[in-house]
Amino acid sequence: DTQMTQSPSSLSASVGDRVTITCQASHDISHYLSWYQQKPGKAPKLLISTASSLETGVPSRFSGSGAGTDFTFTISGLQPEDIATYYCQQYDNLPLTFGGGTKVEIK
Amino acid sequence: QLQLQESGPGLVKPSDTLSLTCTVSRDSISSDRFYWGWIRQPPGKGLEWIGNIFYTGNTYYNPSLKSRVTISVDTSKNHFSLKLRSVTAADTAIYYCARGFNTGWSLGAPYFDSWGQGSLVTVSS
Repeated sequence: DTQMTQSPSSLSASVGDRVTITCQASHDISHYLSWYQQKPGKAPKLLISTASSLETGVPSRFSGSGAGTDFTFTISGLQPEDIATYYCQQYDNLPLTFGGGTKVEIK
Repeated sequence: QLQLQESGPGLVKPSDTLSLTCTVSRDSISSDRFYWGWIRQPPGKGLEWIGNIFYTGNTYYNPSLKSRVTISVDTSKNHFSLKLRSVTAADTAIYYCARGFNTGWSLGAPYFDSWGQGSLVTVSS
């Protein structure tokens, strides 16, 4: 199985701050990585696929980068509505696996 | 806009079978562009992939659950279903159905572009 190690597990930042989350795969997964946002009590929402492709309608302050085993998710100007837990997911191979999640809070 | 809705009992007894159905609205389940999947989330924890099905009936399961899981599809009703046998308290979770985009890269391996609202299933006597 491809293990997805996400860090940090939680962070606290101020409105307007740049927030960075990393996801490391235990094997080379090329660019087959997606990022999801899950707000409390809600289902996950796809933000990014193929490591860096922003889904339609997702604000441009969200971005993703990386390939191989190391990936980064960035919020370039944290907004109050971005309070959520963020997950990465690899879809290079089965079984599909998710990172452990990063809970983002406002300082 | 696509809608997915999970339905089924919210309480299941230990050793029984958990059964859920996901009804797909405003899109056809019979498309080679998508897989249809189940993902679960124990309360306060992370996401675990259970398995996917293609409209043809081809299934792909997480090896950790494979011995207890069956996913099926009914294209005439535009829904797909999950059965998880011999449940224990460890199977208590929110169960999500989702549409998986078929990238064509790895068989059975999509990312999930649309999710149902989730169904909390508690395993307890």
